Amino acid sequence: DVKVTQSSRYLVKRTGEKVFLECVQDMDHENMFWYRQDPGLGLRLIYFSYDVKMKEKGDIPEGYSVSREKKERFSLILESASTNQTSMYLCASSFSVEGNTIYFGEGSWLTVV
Amino acid sequence: GQNIDQPTEMTATEGAIVQINCTYQTSGFNGLFWYQQHAGEAPTFLSYNVLDGLEEKGRFSSFLSRSKGYSYLLLKELQMKDSASYLCAVMDSNYQLIWGAGTKLIIKP
Repeated sequence: DVKVTQSSRYLVKRTGEKVFLECVQDMDHENMFWYRQDPGLGLRLIYFSYDVKMKEKGDIPEGYSVSREKKERFSLILESASTNQTSMYLCASSFSVEGNTIYFGEGSWLTVV
Repeated sequence: GQNIDQPTEMTATEGAIVQINCTYQTSGFNGLFWYQQHAGEAPTFLSYNVLDGLEEKGRFSSFLSRSKGYSYLLLKELQMKDSASYLCAVMDSNYQLIWGAGTKLIIKP
């Protein structure tokens, strides 16, 4: 079975803090994604990556950055957390782009106070 | 702009059948996905349609009409564990997934 593991399930951070969310997948997938999910809104893509050291902006990249130094690991970074970044963050991965299923991690609930 | 519409919430009775609709307007089409998401958990894959017609998988079926920009997820013999949100997503011409806001399905005994 595909396993996508997110390092932290629940985090509480202060405004202005730097936040790291880590994601690891064990299926040698090329593609990895970071989404945020808020009530009443669909999943919104923050960043994605098709290969090591490669990154592409999604729909809402402002206030976020990412790092992919190894194929299995994709990190989301909030340089200076703000209260409007309180959300559930979902990491996902897939083997290829065309029509392939993406697999999600368990999610990280981030509260910024 | 690109848009996916699905009802916000639906209620059904245990043992019954429910149909969750999804309409879409996207820049191109490379397939439609349905995911199930229980509260506080990750979405899990249910089905993928790229050609018109009905795909059946146990108690769940998914239908697609590309000409109408329409899909539905049909759940039969509803069980309490089917209480969840159901997410519709369309892959556009750039192979990007466009997500609906999800339909919360409440199952009553």
